[in-house]
Amino acid sequence: DQQVKQNSPSLSVQEGRISILNCDYTNSMFDYFLWYKKYPAEGPTFLISISSIKDKNEDGRFTVFLNKSAKHLSLHIVPSQPGDSAVYFCAASARDDKIIFGKGTRLHILP
Amino acid sequence: DGGITQSPKYLFRKEGQNVTLSCEQNLNHDAMYWYRQDPGQGLRLIYYSQIVNDFQKGDIAEGYSVSREKKESFPLTVTSAQKNPTAFYLCASTNTGGTGELFFGEGSRLTVL
Repeated sequence: DQQVKQNSPSLSVQEGRISILNCDYTNSMFDYFLWYKKYPAEGPTFLISISSIKDKNEDGRFTVFLNKSAKHLSLHIVPSQPGDSAVYFCAASARDDKIIFGKGTRLHILP
Repeated sequence: DGGITQSPKYLFRKEGQNVTLSCEQNLNHDAMYWYRQDPGQGLRLIYYSQIVNDFQKGDIAEGYSVSREKKESFPLTVTSAQKNPTAFYLCASTNTGGTGELFFGEGSRLTVL
């Protein structure tokens, strides 16, 4: 049973426009959410995170929004750049517990 | 430089053989994790360890074994009991009680011939 769901396997966005990647979760005990970016044959790298006590966290072009009542979070990238083309994983954790990943969304930035 | 080192990067194995993947970190992290990545499956947790000499099964532990004799090291053995071992394996570490931000190694690709 998937606790972290990324329902869009892929997404294509024009360069310069906004990319929005979505993630849903089922476990109400999760209190920390993270986004990772992954290129082929490499390990994922941390992008941005948000604690359950917040509803928004911003870092440069990346913003994560958390809607606890809907158990939904999203990652906004604006403006999208060619180097943003990668697979993005949503992850969630409860304090001192294992970290669960979604299946990922492949983002294609179109020229 | 601090980081996580996985070796080997590529490994080929015949059916019926056990193989051990190495993971070493010098970040002084308490917790270490092994994930497996398959196309369309995302990252699935195999085993994790939050402290030396202790580890827990993840979601797909069958056919795998681990040890955590030292804080810096968390080797993963893929046994002959693992039905479909060909995959990309990722090791990660973090501090327990922290934010959950994982630091990943570069991965090891195992191919069973």
